[in-house]
Amino acid sequence: AQSVTQLDSQVPVFEEAPVELRCNYSSSVSVYLFWYVQYPNQGLQLLLKYLSGSTLVKGINGFEAEFNKSQTSFHLRKPSVHISDTAEYFCAVITEWGSEKLVFGKGTKLTVNP
Amino acid sequence: DGGITQSPKYLFRKEGQNVTLSCEQNLNHDAMYWYRQDPGQGLRLIYYSQIVNDFQKGDIAEGYSVSREKKESFPLTVTSAQKNPTAFYLCASSIRLALDEQFFGPGTRLTVL
Repeated sequence: AQSVTQLDSQVPVFEEAPVELRCNYSSSVSVYLFWYVQYPNQGLQLLLKYLSGSTLVKGINGFEAEFNKSQTSFHLRKPSVHISDTAEYFCAVITEWGSEKLVFGKGTKLTVNP
Repeated sequence: DGGITQSPKYLFRKEGQNVTLSCEQNLNHDAMYWYRQDPGQGLRLIYYSQIVNDFQKGDIAEGYSVSREKKESFPLTVTSAQKNPTAFYLCASSIRLALDEQFFGPGTRLTVL
């Protein structure tokens, strides 16, 4: 069964610092990868996704992620964070076309301090 | 404006009572999903539906039931059989398959007293 591991449950950073949120998946077949963001007491919003093509994916709000097949990783990065980026971030994976089911990681809570 | 609405935002129920959570979308999406979110656990899939009058169990369907009589609506009933129902419930929809972006509602926080 596919699984997703988000290595850090909490990441505190200062405003304007760079950040990397780590995500690893376990699968021996082709994968499709997603990052979602959840602001407090709200639903989730898609940041970016990798389906095929370029391994560097750019998303909304200045975030990007790189698919690394050899390391089975899909880490999320932003070069300079803002207070408004404080939220919980979820990595998710589908391992086969038509499986209909996203599998989510447990989330990383990013806190940006002034 | 197109989107997904969930009601109510907060819901309290006594132990032993069934309760139904509403989810409506006007995005003309075929697929709809229900997730449960607990602190530190991420999202877990309860049920999903690809088309009207059809739905499938997710990973934690025990103690829950759904219906999909209309394309726009996918209500979730939390039954008294659900042993630990207190949680944040999220509804989502997508155009068709799960590779399409899932759009989420604002959630319903259910507390069992």
